[in-house]
Order: sequence, then structure tokens, then C-alpha cells
Amino acid sequence: DARVTQTPRHKVTEMGQEVTMRCQPILGHNTVFWYRQTMMQGLELLAYFRNRAPLDDSGMPKDRFSAEMPDATLATLKIQPSEPRDSAVYFCASASTTQGGFSPLHFGNGTRLTVT
Amino acid sequence: EDQVTQSPEALRLQEGESSSLNCSYTVSGLRGLFWYRQDPGKGPEFLFTLYSAGEEKEKERLKATLTKKESFLHITAPKPEDSATYLCAVQAGYQKVTFGTGTKLQVIP
Repeated sequence: DARVTQTPRHKVTEMGQEVTMRCQPILGHNTVFWYRQTMMQGLELLAYFRNRAPLDDSGMPKDRFSAEMPDATLATLKIQPSEPRDSAVYFCASASTTQGGFSPLHFGNGTRLTVT
Repeated sequence: EDQVTQSPEALRLQEGESSSLNCSYTVSGLRGLFWYRQDPGKGPEFLFTLYSAGEEKEKERLKATLTKKESFLHITAPKPEDSATYLCAVQAGYQKVTFGTGTKLQVIP
């Protein structure tokens, strides 16, 4: 079974440090999403890309978050500087673009971030 | 703005006790409604896609239905291994996929 791979699985860092999360989408999928999940808010969309181009990053705090796709096999989400309120599980998902929409999203197992 | 509301937030069932989970949505131009299952420590796992009112999909003990305003996930004779959080999501065209906050289901032996 093809899978979305996320690294690291867990990250503990101190406030003010830079955090980089990585995602390898399923080969052949041209759309990549970054979501953040907390108990209070559920899954919130941070950004998504199609064919490596950013389509919507309105869910991200622009002053500290950045998302990129250096190539088709790698997506990154960076937080600089990190804050305790950024503590959450960050999920990457990938999909294929179909006529009128997407195939179902396939999720990785997430990066659990704790900022102390 | 697309909105998805799931109820109840949590549901506790005895093994074999059938029930339904609800997903109410507001979206401009629905392209698809998705149901996912999420186990602790893992990412959501795709279950179903529904595209139009009246459509139904089944998988083992699960059956998903869709109307113009809501979707139901019916669980027939659940087993403990059905315990998980069930998430509903909507998609409009090429726009983002919006998730509800989920229903946490616990099935007691």
C-alpha cells in the first residue's frame, strides 16, 4: 500500500526554536495538504499545493509559518520562531486532482509537536 | 464559508447496539462528502466518498448516506474494533477540504 510519510513523528522543542516538518506524498499525487489537529479545533487546513504551486495558505500564521515543495517528492512546513500555542499534531495529506475535485485525501501519521 | 458540524461529539455503545452518526454541512457547490476513521496516534483513514443526494455506500458494518444538507454514518451491530473517531469532510470544486471535529465512538464488549 502506498503511504504518505511524515518525519519526525515526535518533536519536542523550546519556545523560539525553528521547527521543520517533512512530508513525502504518495508517488503520482499532485496535490499536498498541511493540516493541524488539536482537541479544541479539530483538523484545520494550513496550506495546500497543486503541482508544487501554493494555492491557499490562508490558514497559516504568515509571520511564523512557511510551507514549500522543493520538489514533487518533498513538502516542508517550517515554524520560526515556535511558540507553546503551536503544540499540536501536524498532518500532511496527498491526493490526485480529478475532474471537478480531488481523489480522497491520504494522510500520513502526523508529527506531534510539543513546544515548551 | 464551508461549515461541517458533527454530532454527537462522543457516543458509547454496547457491542451489537446499532446507531447513527450525523454530519450537517453548508457548502457552496458540493463536489464530494468524505467519511474518515481515525485511530489514536494515526492519521485519518479514508472510508467513503458520496457525491450526490440519495447516494449510499456500504463497507462491512458501516453505511453512509447523503442528503442535500447532511450525511449519516450508520453502524450496524458494532464491534469493539469499530471504536475510533469518525470524521466527516466536504469539498467544493478545487477548493479546500473542510473537516468536522469528529464523533468519538466507543464500543463496549
